[in-house]
Amino acid sequence: QSVLTQPPSVSAAPGQKVTISCSGSSSNIGNNWVTWYQQLPGTAPKLLIYDNNKRPSGVPVRFSGSRSGTSATLVIAGLQTGDEADYYCGTWDSSLNAGVFGGGTELTVL
Amino acid sequence: EVQLVESGGNLVQPGRSLRLSCTTSGFSFGDYPMSWVRQAPGKGLEWVGFVRSKGYDGTMEYAASVKGRFTISTDDSNSIVYLQMNRLKTEDTAMYYCTRGLYIGGYYPIPFDFWGRGTLVTVSS
Repeated sequence: QSVLTQPPSVSAAPGQKVTISCSGSSSNIGNNWVTWYQQLPGTAPKLLIYDNNKRPSGVPVRFSGSRSGTSATLVIAGLQTGDEADYYCGTWDSSLNAGVFGGGTELTVL
Repeated sequence: EVQLVESGGNLVQPGRSLRLSCTTSGFSFGDYPMSWVRQAPGKGLEWVGFVRSKGYDGTMEYAASVKGRFTISTDDSNSIVYLQMNRLKTEDTAMYYCTRGLYIGGYYPIPFDFWGRGTLVTVSS
């Protein structure tokens, strides 16, 4: 059981927008920056969003993140078939003194 | 160019030991926190542990699931981070990734801005 809770899967058509939620608590999301990773099939994860809403160089503006209270959200607009991947949220948990991840969300672009 | 290359993964029997290596290049090794993250087959990501930068204090933190069995160390001269795994269990079977923390001298290891390709550890009799 993951410390952070994500939906197992989401789907949408090309060109549409999809939202992936990540729910935690005051010891993790509520008081620490949230990060999102994209893992394409058969590859290592890649940093997608950090510090709740910042994009590393090279990540398209179609990807955006936000945090409110003890929850975070990843929004992917203008979906492309190449966006099909697993998406993970992560942060630090101050009570566990450990890094924590969500269970991952599989995105299908129909 | 930042590169992280893991090695040392293998098939090992329960109760035995294994040491993984992560050879790095392209950045000032001692300035960044370095972590290990694992992923069991078909499962999600699990943070294993990390070492803070020498510029901070070089201390380590571990996940509860590996504390007391796994140890992270570094060879600063050769820019290598190790993961010594003792008393291995079948549930330690996973792809092990070496990652770098984004912030120089960060107290926390996150976010992980660079990842290696991983090395596979299989614990089975």
